[in-house]
Amino acid sequence: QVQLQESGPGLVKPSQTLSLTCTVSGGSISSGGYYWSWIRQHPGKGLEWIGYIYYSGSTYYNPSLKSRVTISVDTSKNQFSLKLSSVTAADTAVYYCARYSNYVEWGQGTLVTVSS
Amino acid sequence: EIVLTQSPGTLSLSPGERATLSCRASQSVSSSYLAWYQQKPGQAPRLLIYGASSRATGIPDRFSGSGSGTDFTLTISRLEPEDFAVYYCQLRITFGQGTRLEIK
Repeated sequence: QVQLQESGPGLVKPSQTLSLTCTVSGGSISSGGYYWSWIRQHPGKGLEWIGYIYYSGSTYYNPSLKSRVTISVDTSKNQFSLKLSSVTAADTAVYYCARYSNYVEWGQGTLVTVSS
Repeated sequence: EIVLTQSPGTLSLSPGERATLSCRASQSVSSSYLAWYQQKPGQAPRLLIYGASSRATGIPDRFSGSGSGTDFTLTISRLEPEDFAVYYCQLRITFGQGTRLEIK
């Protein structure tokens, strides 16, 4: 069974870049058929798909975030990463990394707070 | 872009009662990609149902999913105290807004 673990700073200053990494175990990120995803949840709110990367390197980004988001993959480390630039308080959320095929398999999530 | 609308927003029921949660898509969709999740405070969502009607591993049989086209339903046949949570439907990269199931 695949396991996903987010890591990265829990506090980011406004205007800076939020950077998170997801380490995958129990499955190879190079295997086809899965979309390696980032999903976030604002406090007390619903779920928002940020984007995904396929093992081939093709990506999808939520249009509302597209100008600020980059998702990349490091197959040698079995990791994928999220960068979200020019953050504001509105980017404070729990960020989940996930594996998606017909359904989502979730990491435990990590709270990122944007504050000076 | 497909929109998923869940109803009701909040459902107040008692343990032992039957819960029926609805997820409506803005256009006809393939049921192969419709999933349901349960989320409790401070936890990641937990997969309950995938392919509209298949129970995930370890999910009790009081949870069932049905539907096709634009209308999908999650049914909990007899509520247990641990079932009170928020429930989301999901289709590809879209989530419904959630239904909060609370104790009456």
